[in-house]
Amino acid sequence: KQEVTQIPAALSVPEGENLVLNCSFTDSAIYNLQWFRQDPGKGLTSLLLIQSSQREQTSGRLNASLDKSSGRSTLYIAASQPGDSATYLCAVRSSNDYKLSFGAGTTVTVRA
Amino acid sequence: SAVISQKPSRDICQRGTSLTIQCQVDSQVTMMFWYRQQPGQSLTLIATANQGSEATYESGFVIDKFPISRPNLTFSTLTVSNMSPEDSSIYLCSVLQGAHEQYFGPGTRLTVT
Repeated sequence: KQEVTQIPAALSVPEGENLVLNCSFTDSAIYNLQWFRQDPGKGLTSLLLIQSSQREQTSGRLNASLDKSSGRSTLYIAASQPGDSATYLCAVRSSNDYKLSFGAGTTVTVRA
Repeated sequence: SAVISQKPSRDICQRGTSLTIQCQVDSQVTMMFWYRQQPGQSLTLIATANQGSEATYESGFVIDKFPISRPNLTFSTLTVSNMSPEDSSIYLCSVLQGAHEQYFGPGTRLTVT
């Protein structure tokens, strides 16, 4: 059974600082990995999708890396802004049954 | 990317009653999913709903408690039956598109008193 862990659980930084969010997973037989953002009481917004054959994906200030062999992904957010305050969820899709397994999330607060 | 809407966005219900949540997608999709997010927790998959077949439920979830309909490729409903306070959660509809990218609706926040 795939286990997904996100560290840290919470993070508070001053505006302008770069954010580094970590995700680890136990089973390297993955199809892809997705990073989501969730605002309080709301649904999930897809940020980045990395296929198992890719090493990284970039979108604006966001960059996500994937090291499948070591079971790790990192989400980098450059020059953080107060609007980046949210919970960030990592989700891994198994290549065996295509089910998505979620981490518990990292709650980010960017202080103005 | 798929645009997903859910109704209602939130509701407060009494113990023992049932609530039906609707999910509408702006394009045809084969696979739709229903998730639950309990307060302070991550997401748990309730069931997978494919058009034309019975929904497939995950361990710990049963059809009598969470009946699902999938009448066409753009619509699904989830009913939470005989509710108890433990059912207070956010319920999320989700679809799979393209290169197995998953999209989520805005969620339905349910409070059971």
